[in-house]
Order: sequence, then C-alpha cells, then structure tokens
Amino acid sequence: GQQLNQSPQSMFIQEGEDVSMNCTSSSIFNTWLWYKQDPGEGPVLLIALYKAGELTSNGRLTAQFGITRKDSFLNISASIPSDVGIYFCAGQVDNNDMRFGAGTRLTVKP
Amino acid sequence: KAGVTQTPRYLIKTRGQQVTLSCSPISGHRSVSWYQQTPGQGLQFLFEYFSETQRNKGNFPGRFSGRQFSNSRSEMNVSTLELGDSALYLCASSLVGNSPLHFGNGTRLTVT
Repeated sequence: GQQLNQSPQSMFIQEGEDVSMNCTSSSIFNTWLWYKQDPGEGPVLLIALYKAGELTSNGRLTAQFGITRKDSFLNISASIPSDVGIYFCAGQVDNNDMRFGAGTRLTVKP
Repeated sequence: KAGVTQTPRYLIKTRGQQVTLSCSPISGHRSVSWYQQTPGQGLQFLFEYFSETQRNKGNFPGRFSGRQFSNSRSEMNVSTLELGDSALYLCASSLVGNSPLHFGNGTRLTVT
C-alpha cells in the first residue's frame, strides 16, 4: 500500500524558532492533510490541501501540496510552547482511505 | 456543533474476551472511519463505513469488525482479544468522498 515517509521524527527547538517538517511518498495523493495530536486526545485537523502546488496558511502554520502530488511540507513560524505535540501528515486517494505518516514529535523549550 | 464522540474513553479487558466500541459522528457526517494507533505502528486504517455499508477495509484480521447504523453512529467489535490489541482506537467522521477526517478522542483499550 501507499507509504508516507515523514521527517524529522522529532524536533527540539527554542521558543520563537521556526519549524519545518515534510512528508514524501512514492504514490500520488489527491489530498494532503496535516493534523496535530495532543496527549490523550485525537488528531485535530490543521490544514487541508486539494491541488498540486497549493500553498495554504492557517495563522502561523503554512503547508504546501507538492507539484508532483507525492509530497507536502508544513512550516510553523515563531513557535510557542502550546505548539508542543505530535504532527501527522496524511495522504488521501479516495473513499476516506487515508494513509498517515509516523508523526513528528515537537518539543518547544521556553 | 458537537464533535465526534467515542465511548468509553478507557477499557481494560482480558485476553480472549471481546469488546465493542462506540462512535457518534459529527451531525450530518455520513462516513465513519476507524483507526488503530500504537506507538510502534502509528495510525493504521481499520475500515470505513458509509450509509451502513463497509466501503473500505484495512489489513486487519477478521476478529476486527464494525457496523454502521441508519443514524450514522458506528460500532467496532474485536473478538478473542490478544495482548497486541492494546491500543488507542480512533473514530473519525467526514461528510463524503475526499472530505477531511475529524477525529474523536479515542478509546484506550488495554488487554491484560
């Protein structure tokens, strides 16, 4: 099946720094999504991307749908302590069969 | 609008038992998907239901089953529990087709 390679696996950054993480796949996806999961909770949708090349922002978050449809990145600018959590990328072809990356665990030091 | 609701939040079962988990989707959402989340395997797709029909199924044994009711609420059942079934089980709902998934907070199942 389709595999998503998400990197980095973990990040330790200082408050105020910018963060970048990405996902790549050998398969094409029609939709790329980014989720954040806090401990004890389910993943929460951050950004959804529907077109190759699309660049979308949500506050301090910016994500792009790669031109080849096989990759996506997420940037977080000026990180704050509440950005701590696990970030997942997800690729979707159809019928809600969504594949997830392994996650990037973000730690922000005040 | 209420989010996806999963019950119970926590469950402890013994090997060999069976368990049923429940999910109420966001009002108006007709598609419900189930995922298993473990530290080692990440988020693994179990199955997806739409209008009471299973449309997609992941690579899990037949001990894992589900159903959807006419009001879009869904249940998943795991029979003959094994220690390796210990995980966070997440339910997600969406409108249709390629709509983004909206997740509940999961049911944490521990098998002893």
